[in-house]
Amino acid sequence: DAGITQSPRHKVTETGTPVTLRCHQTENHRYMYWYRQDPGHGLRLIHYSYGVKDTDKGEVSDGYSVSRSKTEDFLLTLESATSSQTSVYFCAISGRTGEGYTFGSGTRLTVV
Amino acid sequence: RKEVEQDPGPFNVPEGATVAFNCTYSNSASQSFFWYRQDCRKEPKLLMSVYSSGNEDGRFTAQLNRASQYISLLIRDSKLSDSATYLCVVMRDTGRRALTFGSGTRLQVQP
Repeated sequence: DAGITQSPRHKVTETGTPVTLRCHQTENHRYMYWYRQDPGHGLRLIHYSYGVKDTDKGEVSDGYSVSRSKTEDFLLTLESATSSQTSVYFCAISGRTGEGYTFGSGTRLTVV
Repeated sequence: RKEVEQDPGPFNVPEGATVAFNCTYSNSASQSFFWYRQDCRKEPKLLMSVYSSGNEDGRFTAQLNRASQYISLLIRDSKLSDSATYLCVVMRDTGRRALTFGSGTRLQVQP
């Protein structure tokens, strides 16, 4: 399997606290993505990165920020967590053009 | 209107049955197409890419109809292990390679 790991796997946090999720890859892929998955909505793109320090917004980016200081790491930060951000978060990497993604195992985040 | 639409199912079929899923996409500029499989509480995994000429991988056959903007997946001789959610996926923008996912079709294969 492709080398992509997410941490933590599960997290419960309180409303208003900042939260950072980490995605780490060992494939040296240029493209990395953060998605959230919710019932009835499928997977929706939050942010993506096309290189070190190069990031852009997806369709549901409000309330989230990202950083990519190294090829292998892509961090997703919830500045001030809200209950609407309770979700499963998936990181993904993309290799060659025309190929699909490889996903990490996901982070289940609950905001109480 | 969602960019990628699928029948959510569930499709309940007996072992050995043939089952077909369709999906439609709204953006004619879509470039690449895929089917992903997602098991309960797991990450999506690439099942197969979909090519204009159609392609087959064992019991699985995928077809693309660009004129009608739909994609299909056919599963022959269903196994219990095929029970999962099948996600239809399109890549609209090859520049950023962002994939757009359908909400998925759930398949339950019964013994």
